[in-house]
Amino acid sequence: DGGITQSPKYLFRKEGQNVTLSCEQNLNHDAMYWYRQDPGQGLRLIYYSQIVNDFQKGDIAEGYSVSREKKESFPLTVTSAQKNPTAFYLCASSQIGRTSTDTQYFGPGTRLTVL
Amino acid sequence: GQNIDQPTEMTATEGAIVQINCTYQTSGFNGLFWYQQHAGEAPTFLSYNVLDGLEEKGRFSSFLSRSKGYSYLLLKELQMKDSASYLCAVPYGGATNKLIFGTGTLLAVQP
Repeated sequence: DGGITQSPKYLFRKEGQNVTLSCEQNLNHDAMYWYRQDPGQGLRLIYYSQIVNDFQKGDIAEGYSVSREKKESFPLTVTSAQKNPTAFYLCASSQIGRTSTDTQYFGPGTRLTVL
Repeated sequence: GQNIDQPTEMTATEGAIVQINCTYQTSGFNGLFWYQQHAGEAPTFLSYNVLDGLEEKGRFSSFLSRSKGYSYLLLKELQMKDSASYLCAVPYGGATNKLIFGTGTLLAVQP
């Protein structure tokens, strides 16, 4: 059953701690993305990757880091430098250039609360 | 720059029809996406429009006018399970896979 998995669904951390959110896909998609969603705001792009071992900053990359060592995996680390890390984090994946749509499909999300 | 506007909230009655509007400004148009998002869950893909006109997919239809920078999502025969946020998104930056999302329209379907 193909899809995108994110774990855990809920995550609590103390202020000042780094935390890594996992994202795995078995859709054989080339591109993967990380977004954060805050109440009253649209999804905002943190980082994206179109190929293994390469990634680009999105609109709000400060305080975050990523890696793309495998096509299937795109973990996101929320560092202590992120000023307001409490949010709903969504991972997505898509094909690139196969069709004109490049539709992004989302994982179930991780709700991070920093205490 | 890029900008997307959607109404914040809408209310409709079960069995009725509702139209959710989206206006956008983007440099270079590469299509428009609609997603549905239930509270606390992931967005799910509904439709993609790149040409002008109406595309129908069961109870849901999506319309695009590129000259007006305008799209709408039409939901027919509303059901309680249609209560959700509806997100409009367009690619930007010359890419087809970098999306800017609107804040979403929260639709409440009442009995």
